Amino acid sequence: DIVMTQSPDSLAVSLGERATINCKSSQSLLFSSNNKNYLAWYQQKPGQPPKLLIHWASTRESGVPDRFSGSGSGTDFTLTISNLQAEDVAVYYCQHYYGTLRYTFGQGTKLEIK
Amino acid sequence: QVQLQESGPGLVRPSQTLSLTCNVSGGSISNADYYWSWIRQSAGEGLEWIGRMYITGRTNYNPSLKSRVTISIDTSKNQFSLKLSSVTAADTAVYYCARGLSGGWFGGNWFDPWGQGTLVTVSS
Repeated sequence: DIVMTQSPDSLAVSLGERATINCKSSQSLLFSSNNKNYLAWYQQKPGQPPKLLIHWASTRESGVPDRFSGSGSGTDFTLTISNLQAEDVAVYYCQHYYGTLRYTFGQGTKLEIK
Repeated sequence: QVQLQESGPGLVRPSQTLSLTCNVSGGSISNADYYWSWIRQSAGEGLEWIGRMYITGRTNYNPSLKSRVTISIDTSKNQFSLKLSSVTAADTAVYYCARGLSGGWFGGNWFDPWGQGTLVTVSS
């Protein structure tokens, strides 16, 4: 199984500042045939289901503010939230979809306002 | 837009079978562009993908649950279902249904949207 490890487990950032969440996979998520990274990011607010933010490691979903951006390749990925807003308080998860046998999620990173 | 809604008992006795249904509205479950998955979330295990079904009837299951899981689809009702047998307290979780978007022939799915989730407690 591919293990997804996020860091930090929690962080507090001031309004208007930048939040950076890391996700590391135990094996490369880059498929050489199409040069795509099989990684998605989700946001989960209290009492709600996860909401898809990004897929293919950096493709932002329609309607997601452009202050959310994804980067990275291979085994190391980053979700960056610029100009942090109060409504961004949530738990963020990465998920790999490399191959079809088993998709796993990171343990989550809790983002709070400082 | 497509919406998903889980339904089923909130309490299941140990050793019994957990049964949930996901109703899909705003779109056809027969759309060949999508897969239909179940995912659960517990405090101890975080988010865990359970399995998926495609409209052809093809299924893929998490190897750790494969021996106990059955996912089926009812196109006439635009629903798909989950059965998890021989449950224990470790199966207590919020269960979500979700639409899976395809990563192509090689890859799996990312998930959008998700249902609101339903808490299933396994207890005597």
